[in-house]
Amino acid sequence: AQSVTQLGSHVSVSEGALVLLRCNYSSSVPPYLFWYVQYPNQGLQLLLKYTSAATLVKGINGFEAEFKKSETSFHLTKPSAHMSDAAEYFCAVSWSNTGKLIFGQGTTLQVKP
Amino acid sequence: GAGVSQSPSNKVTEKGKDVELRCDPISGHTALYWYRQSLGQGLEFLIYFQGNSAPDKSGLPSDRFSAERTGGSVSTLTIQRTQQEDSAVYLCASRTSGGMTPQETQYFGPGTRLLVL
Repeated sequence: AQSVTQLGSHVSVSEGALVLLRCNYSSSVPPYLFWYVQYPNQGLQLLLKYTSAATLVKGINGFEAEFKKSETSFHLTKPSAHMSDAAEYFCAVSWSNTGKLIFGQGTTLQVKP
Repeated sequence: GAGVSQSPSNKVTEKGKDVELRCDPISGHTALYWYRQSLGQGLEFLIYFQGNSAPDKSGLPSDRFSAERTGGSVSTLTIQRTQQEDSAVYLCASRTSGGMTPQETQYFGPGTRLLVL
């Protein structure tokens, strides 16, 4: 079955440090890939998405992600963490023409002062 | 502009009761999705509506779950004879169009937090 895996349910970084959140999908057919962020008691907000136009995708709030087909990965990075980045991050993929999303288990990002 | 809205924001019910959850998509969005977010199962797809086409119900966990979309706009998710395992956050999302555009962004509402006692 097609699936998406986020390695690490919790990631803790210091303010100003690099943020790296990992996402891998399980198919030889590249899907459409998305990263969403969820702040406490809020819905999901799109950070960025890969749609095959470019392998390095820039999103909001200084985040970016690189699609690597050979590694079936779409890891999310940010050069310098800010306290306001503390949230839960979801990688999602879509192989379906209907656009229904398959989500990873989520990674909670903690930013320490 | 107005985003996706959901009501109620919180719902507490007793086991065995029926509940209705409402979603108002962004105006003009023809595609609407329901997802469920629970501690045990994470975020999972429930159902998808696109215009007047038959909905994709492949994610509904049991026949106690049903949904409808009236007039191509508002959607209601109904859970009959609620069970404790139905406790979760139910998220609604919408996007401009459906079909053949899987890369299009889905916009999510704040969710309805359901607690079944």
